[in-house]
Amino acid sequence: GENVEQHPSTLSVQEGDSAVIKCTYSDSASNYFPWYKQELGKRPQLIIDIRSNVGEKKDQRIAVTLNKTAKHFSLHITETQPEDSAVYFCAAMGTSYDKVIFGPGTSLSVIP
Amino acid sequence: GAVVSQHPSRVICKSGTSVKIECRSLDFQATTMFWYRQFPKQSLMLMATSNEGSKATYEQGVEKDKFLINHASLTLSTLTVTSAHPEDSSFYICSARDIRIDTGELFFGEGSRLTVL
Repeated sequence: GENVEQHPSTLSVQEGDSAVIKCTYSDSASNYFPWYKQELGKRPQLIIDIRSNVGEKKDQRIAVTLNKTAKHFSLHITETQPEDSAVYFCAAMGTSYDKVIFGPGTSLSVIP
Repeated sequence: GAVVSQHPSRVICKSGTSVKIECRSLDFQATTMFWYRQFPKQSLMLMATSNEGSKATYEQGVEKDKFLINHASLTLSTLTVTSAHPEDSSFYICSARDIRIDTGELFFGEGSRLTVL
């Protein structure tokens, strides 16, 4: 089955700097890669996603890149703000349009 | 956007009792719902896929007799933790996909924090 790895597990950045979180997946058949943000005690919220037919997607300060050959995808947050502090999960979904497997998460702290 | 509601948000029970958690899709129908378990500062671990009108599909290592899942309607799935023990204490969260949107996005419930004494 699918296995998703994520690095780093914790990340601290100064406000205004960029943050990058990297993930790898094992199943070459996976074709949908969402990123979720979870604040303490709250439900995960989708922040951006990418499908395997594109290599990059951007939404304001957030961007995701995908390298299907290497089975890598990354989240980039620019001009970080304190409210970006949360746990971020990458995930992968296979061709069955079925279950979504999550990475272990990255705890991001943005220092004012 | 699609809304998923989960109840109860917190439950405390004695060891040996059973606890039922409900997951409802409020403004859409969900033929499939997913149940995840999350330990403190850890990831979302998929427990099972709940299928409306048929048996749930459990992930490897998840005891189906321990975690009973029922998906009796297109808007409701329930997870029953049977004979709960302290090691079952965790955050349980359900999710569903709105097939009308057809993006693959999962919408999550608020989660249920179970504490077994």
